[in-house]
Amino acid sequence: AQSVTQLGSHVSVSEGALVLLRCNYSSSVPPYLFWYVQYPNQGLQLLLKYTSAATLVKGINGFEAEFKKSETSFHLTKPSAHMSDAAEYFCAVSDRGSSYKLIFGSGTRLLVRP
Amino acid sequence: KAGVTQTPRYLIKTRGQQVTLSCSPISGHRSVSWYQQTPGQGLQFLFEYFSETQRNKGNFPGRFSGRQFSNSRSEMNVSTLELGDSALYLCASSLVSGSRDEQFFGPGTRLTVL
Repeated sequence: AQSVTQLGSHVSVSEGALVLLRCNYSSSVPPYLFWYVQYPNQGLQLLLKYTSAATLVKGINGFEAEFKKSETSFHLTKPSAHMSDAAEYFCAVSDRGSSYKLIFGSGTRLLVRP
Repeated sequence: KAGVTQTPRYLIKTRGQQVTLSCSPISGHRSVSWYQQTPGQGLQFLFEYFSETQRNKGNFPGRFSGRQFSNSRSEMNVSTLELGDSALYLCASSLVSGSRDEQFFGPGTRLTVL
């Protein structure tokens, strides 16, 4: 069965510093991969997705992620953190197919220090 | 364009009762999925509906059920509520039913079971 591992339940960075949130998936066939962000008392918002086009995917709010098949990873990065980036981030996978079923990682809470 | 709406936003029930949650997808979207979010188990897929048919189901007991109407609106029902059913229930919609498509999430219904 598919699974997603997010290393680090909490990540703290200074404003302006690099953001790196880690995600590894388990699948012999590259799945579709997604990063979502959740702000307090809100639903999830899609940041970016990988669906087997370019391995470097650019998303909203300056985030990007690189799909590395050899490492089964899809880490999320942002060159310079803003206070507004403080939120919980979820990596998710779905099998290729006609039905939607997202498998989520446990989430990483990003704290941004002024 | 209005986003995904969920009603009610907050709900308090007691053990043994049943509850119905409602989700109105984005206009034109035909796929609706439901997820349960708890601190202990994280985000878990409940089921997905497309054109009034359940296309996929997660690993939840039969007390959890859902349906979709001809206008794509969806409801989920939980019978014989247990304390562990306290959670944020998220609904998501997408234009078509395909695992690479973006899902748009609603703000959720927070259910508290006493």
